[in-house]
Amino acid sequence: SQKIEQNSEALNIQEGKTATLTCNYTNYSPAYLQWYRQDPGRGPVFLLLIRENEKEKRKERLKVTFDTTLKQSLFHITASQPADSATYLCALYNNAGNMLTFGGGTRLMVKP
Amino acid sequence: DTGVSQDPRHKITKRGQNVTFRCDPISEHNRLYWYRQTLGQGPEFLTYFQNEAQLEKSRLLSDRFSAERPKGSFSTLEIQRTEQGDSAMYLCASSFRPGPNTEAFFGQGTRLTVV
Repeated sequence: SQKIEQNSEALNIQEGKTATLTCNYTNYSPAYLQWYRQDPGRGPVFLLLIRENEKEKRKERLKVTFDTTLKQSLFHITASQPADSATYLCALYNNAGNMLTFGGGTRLMVKP
Repeated sequence: DTGVSQDPRHKITKRGQNVTFRCDPISEHNRLYWYRQTLGQGPEFLTYFQNEAQLEKSRLLSDRFSAERPKGSFSTLEIQRTEQGDSAMYLCASSFRPGPNTEAFFGQGTRLTVV
């Protein structure tokens, strides 16, 4: 069956450090992978989309990598700030390209 | 345009009652999704519409759940004979076009509590 797996344990890091979150998937052949941020009690907010032929994509302090051989994406936040504390979700469309499916999310806590 | 709007934000209902949620997508977005999210989990896909046509329904969507999108604008999600297991956040999202390279815009969600 198709699965998108993210570390369910919260990631606690010190302000200023780089946070790295992992997304692994099985039985998908995605051309694109998306990352979203979700704050408590709110809907997810789109952050970045990366194509299969893009090994890396950056947006301000965010960096995403996409390794289709390993079936893995890494999401990095450099110079992390307490305001970056949130749950981060990776998402893929199914192989038919018509249904966006999410991983379980990883909660990031940045301590001042 | 204020984004995707969901109403109500919170709903407390007694077991066995029917509830209906509304979602107003971003105008001109022709794709609309419904998701359910429980605490500590990612959003789980329920169903989606392309304009007014409901094209896919998850196995999670039992016979007690029904969704509509008349005229391809707003959408409603109705749960009949609610059960305690229906307690969750119900999220609506819309996108401008279909395709895996399209971001989804989410509403704030409707939190349902069945007592």
